Amino acid sequence: NAGVTQTPKFQVLKTGQSMTLQCAQDMNHNSMYWYRQDPGMGLRLIYYSASEGTTDKGEVPNGYNVSRLNKREFSLRLESAAPSQTSVYFCASSWEPTAYGYTFGSGTRLTVV
Amino acid sequence: AQSVTQLGSHVSVSEGALVLLRCNYSSSVPPYLFWYVQYPNQGLQLLLKYTTGATLVKGINGFEAEFKKSETSFHLTKPSAHMSDAAEYFCAVSDQAGGYQKVTFGTGTKLQVIP
Repeated sequence: NAGVTQTPKFQVLKTGQSMTLQCAQDMNHNSMYWYRQDPGMGLRLIYYSASEGTTDKGEVPNGYNVSRLNKREFSLRLESAAPSQTSVYFCASSWEPTAYGYTFGSGTRLTVV
Repeated sequence: AQSVTQLGSHVSVSEGALVLLRCNYSSSVPPYLFWYVQYPNQGLQLLLKYTTGATLVKGINGFEAEFKKSETSFHLTKPSAHMSDAAEYFCAVSDQAGGYQKVTFGTGTKLQVIP
């Protein structure tokens, strides 16, 4: 089925370890986004990519880096994981979010111990 | 700056009863408004959106929402709740800010449907 695919679905890291969350979409969307979801806080934007070759910081970028590898793929990297980064991470994509809204992946549940 | 307030983090209704989930927004420019639904252990799914035009917007699964500019509200309703409606619902507002179409999500309302 067409959509946004995220890997892995679950991950446990030790403090200080690094990892990359992968995201791919097959809808030919221009823009892609990484959000984190924490209880009672809704979704907060980490980074976004308005088009292939561009990336920009969102509300909570500290401790993260991103790569827009091509039009389909947008990865999120944690260089040195901290317990405060325990969260559920969602990737989303859109033709243009104002008019069309987002298509979300199913999420990555990350625990940092 | 835009913001979204969802009144009530938890709402319980009986099966067959009216569902009303409240959302108020603030935006310095005409907003675009959205409702998303999240089922357990899944990503968010777009329920409906208001961009321009008709202020009563119909979405999937029998939900609808009305944009009321004078009240800065975009409440979500469904005439008759079904057990399958149990989920978390997020209101979101979008406007242009410095060339970037910024989307702000509310903190969510968990809907419980009681048999």
